[in-house]
Amino acid sequence: EPEVTQTPSHQVTQMGQEVILHCVPISNHLYFYWYRQILGQKVEFLVSFYNNEISEKSEIFDDQFSVERPDGSNFTLKIRSTKLEDSAMYFCASSLTVQETQYFGPGTRLLVL
Amino acid sequence: KQEVTQIPAALSVPEGENLVLNCSFTDSAIYNLQWFRQDPGKGLTSLLLIQSSQREQTSGRLNASLDKSSGRSTLYIAASQPGDSATYLCAVRPLGSKSGGYQKVTFGIGTKLQVIP
Repeated sequence: EPEVTQTPSHQVTQMGQEVILHCVPISNHLYFYWYRQILGQKVEFLVSFYNNEISEKSEIFDDQFSVERPDGSNFTLKIRSTKLEDSAMYFCASSLTVQETQYFGPGTRLLVL
Repeated sequence: KQEVTQIPAALSVPEGENLVLNCSFTDSAIYNLQWFRQDPGKGLTSLLLIQSSQREQTSGRLNASLDKSSGRSTLYIAASQPGDSATYLCAVRPLGSKSGGYQKVTFGIGTKLQVIP
């Protein structure tokens, strides 16, 4: 069964450094999403992406964040200058249409020191 | 602003018991509601998706209901098994507007279920 994959599974970085989180959505899906979950807190929507542009974003997704689909298979989340509070599990998801079920990847655990 | 609440926060039941997990939301202008399962340190697995026009959805031993007017959904698990032990999340997609907001899904914090053999 097709699945969403994410790399790396764990990432440790120093405050102020740039990180790029990688996702490979399900191949025929058209909508892509990033979510985050701070330890012990709710899963939070960050951004959705369709047709090579951001379709919606939350208040969390400020200028420090960017997303890109550099080729036909990858979907990346970049954090330009990481802060301690960016430490969280980051989930990528994809869906065939905007109405249908979103399929989530296993997540990347980011720790900012 | 949509708020999603899940009760109870944790639940421990003996194997074989039927159980109900609750989800409530404050804004009834929703497009759909989805139940997920999250295993420790893992991603989210979609269990059931209920469109706003639907009252319930079933998959195997799982049944989810939706009462949009009262802002409630329940997830019923029949004949629980130890493998059902996980955190169950409820997520609401808003109806949105011309300016957007349609995809800003709001999650509850989840109910942590433990099924004891």
